[in-house]
Amino acid sequence: QQQVKQSPQSLIVQKGGISIINCAYENTAFDYFPWYQQFPGKGPALLIAIRPDVSEKKEGRFTISFNKSAKQFSLHIMDSQPGDSATYFCAASPYTGRRALTFGSGTRLQVQP
Amino acid sequence: GAVVSQHPSRVICKSGTSVKIECRSLDFQATTMFWYRQFPKQSLMLMATSNEGSKATYEQGVEKDKFLINHASLTLSTLTVTSAHPEDSSFYICSARDTTSRDNEQFFGPGTRLTVL
Repeated sequence: QQQVKQSPQSLIVQKGGISIINCAYENTAFDYFPWYQQFPGKGPALLIAIRPDVSEKKEGRFTISFNKSAKQFSLHIMDSQPGDSATYFCAASPYTGRRALTFGSGTRLQVQP
Repeated sequence: GAVVSQHPSRVICKSGTSVKIECRSLDFQATTMFWYRQFPKQSLMLMATSNEGSKATYEQGVEKDKFLINHASLTLSTLTVTSAHPEDSSFYICSARDTTSRDNEQFFGPGTRLTVL
């Protein structure tokens, strides 16, 4: 019940295209859903996060769509650029207790020029 | 976003030695910090939750006597890998939660690459 399932495992997108990464969760206590970007040999960097009281959040080229009834959320990267090539992780945490993040398995995105 | 530092960034040690990794929140206070372990091409696995002024909470399967955690102040947590062995070689990453943040924003350090020979 603690798992967060992420797909696809890898993704190749042409420059200027839209990258879409999906995540699903089971634990209804999860109340905070961030996305992180990680480059090789570096720590994850917080990209964007959403709470379940909204269905969509947009920051620049990054958009999170959230479907509470389906317990799914996704990251859309508009106008994908080669510099976006990295591994993306979705995560989830409850809003109470230790509030530790449970991570998805990651998606390796490659944006081709 | 807030800045979290880790030191050292890379360490190579002999089997049987102990290694200390520091995690600092540079511009905010963090009553809670988290320690993760990441193997190549895998996701982050939570090892333990570090609480300022109290004992750490370890995840199932993580040996607390092997991975010693000390959260001595609101800006510093340390992870000591005791009697390190080659199987402990991994990428160790800490994160810190901004206690002033309404949301559960956690900021990650740059990671520490541990290689045990």
